[in-house]
Amino acid sequence: DAGITQSPRHKVTETGTPVTLRCHQTENHRYMYWYRQDPGHGLRLIHYSYGVKDTDKGEVSDGYSVSRSKTEDFLLTLESATSSQTSVYFCAITTGTDEQFFGPGTRLTVL
Amino acid sequence: GQQLNQSPQSMFIQEGEDVSMNCTSSSIFNTWLWYKQDPGEGPVLLIALYKAGELTSNGRLTAQFGITRKDSFLNISASIPSDVGIYFCAGGSGGSNYKLTFGKGTLLTVNP
Repeated sequence: DAGITQSPRHKVTETGTPVTLRCHQTENHRYMYWYRQDPGHGLRLIHYSYGVKDTDKGEVSDGYSVSRSKTEDFLLTLESATSSQTSVYFCAITTGTDEQFFGPGTRLTVL
Repeated sequence: GQQLNQSPQSMFIQEGEDVSMNCTSSSIFNTWLWYKQDPGEGPVLLIALYKAGELTSNGRLTAQFGITRKDSFLNISASIPSDVGIYFCAGGSGGSNYKLTFGKGTLLTVNP
């Protein structure tokens, strides 16, 4: 158990509304990642963080922003949700190797 | 960007059969990892490989890091119903903020 929680676990929202997903870890790991998972696409990296206030884009970052104001929390924000952002979102951490450990996921539906 | 080709996309087997799946890449990776995802849950790391040619086992699972560093294989022996799920391969470079490239997954169904 890597001590990762995600909230909310399920969310239904409407197009155009802002949405924030939270990833929380209990072990002070430096690196954190946000992925989205869609049928036929596997896991795709949205943004990642390599320290407090240090973040960078992944391969599918358009329409998403992130913030990391403290080590344990990594927030993913959809400023104005669109139906194409309906997906399952996973947070992951690494302990300083290529071995990433995933949270339980958030299922987001944008109507 | 880098891409991993994972095959087969899906498998339907009988309980007790052995299973093989693989991942190939046009790029070299320094690390190969295999994950399993059960419905409604996050991926769980099964095996991590760090050296070309390395063969590693975890119970009934065996994975190999290809000699060319461009491929990896996962075998499951004597499958059981709880092996059902999606299996993902991932390649890592060891640096670059430990980012991984994932295959699209193999959906395994085991018929009791």
